[in-house]
Amino acid sequence: KAGVTQTPRYLIKTRGQQVTLSCSPISGHRSVSWYQQTPGQGLQFLFEYFSETQRNKGNFPGRFSGRQFSNSRSEMNVSTLELGDSALYLCASSVAGTSLLGANVLTFGAGSRLTVL
Amino acid sequence: DQQVKQNSPSLSVQEGRISILNCDYTNSMFDYFLWYKKYPAEGPTFLISISSIKDKNEDGRFTVFLNKSAKHLSLHIVPSQPGDSAVYFCAASARTDGQNFVFGPGTRLSVLP
Repeated sequence: KAGVTQTPRYLIKTRGQQVTLSCSPISGHRSVSWYQQTPGQGLQFLFEYFSETQRNKGNFPGRFSGRQFSNSRSEMNVSTLELGDSALYLCASSVAGTSLLGANVLTFGAGSRLTVL
Repeated sequence: DQQVKQNSPSLSVQEGRISILNCDYTNSMFDYFLWYKKYPAEGPTFLISISSIKDKNEDGRFTVFLNKSAKHLSLHIVPSQPGDSAVYFCAASARTDGQNFVFGPGTRLSVLP
């Protein structure tokens, strides 16, 4: 069973540019979440998509956006890049939304490392 | 305002001994907790979870303890192995927040041979 696939793995951009990152979840997983990891910080929640709808959003500016397609694949976009956007962007998928026991376990991809110069 | 704290940035343990990683949280609405470990250049890997209806969950060498009154959880690894050397994150969520997990900053565990 293939895991969560993120592309590209590494990329370099300059300030003011925009970037699009892609995530293919595990087959059958309908929920896709995005997290940002920067040095010294834990993982910061960006947003979660379920059945093509953004269900939850973290505390990030509007320059960060995402979408989910009917096959559950997801993309996130960052516009007008700033130096502080340099980070590891992690995508995670889970089987479904919340259950009676609470949230479902996240399975992470290897991440896309973005460097903004 | 960190809702999930891991106050020890790093921990060193001798191979074969017990590793204890701690995590504290402030939001009393959190009812589901996960532990992940992360190697460099890889995504976090799920280790073990616990819901607030339990105070202990065990899976092989890994045991997680939850003390709801103290808003504290801990991960015990027994016996520790050099391959356990990684960064460990605890994460918490509230059922009302769906899949919005709040992660701690991580603890780097080094298991010395």
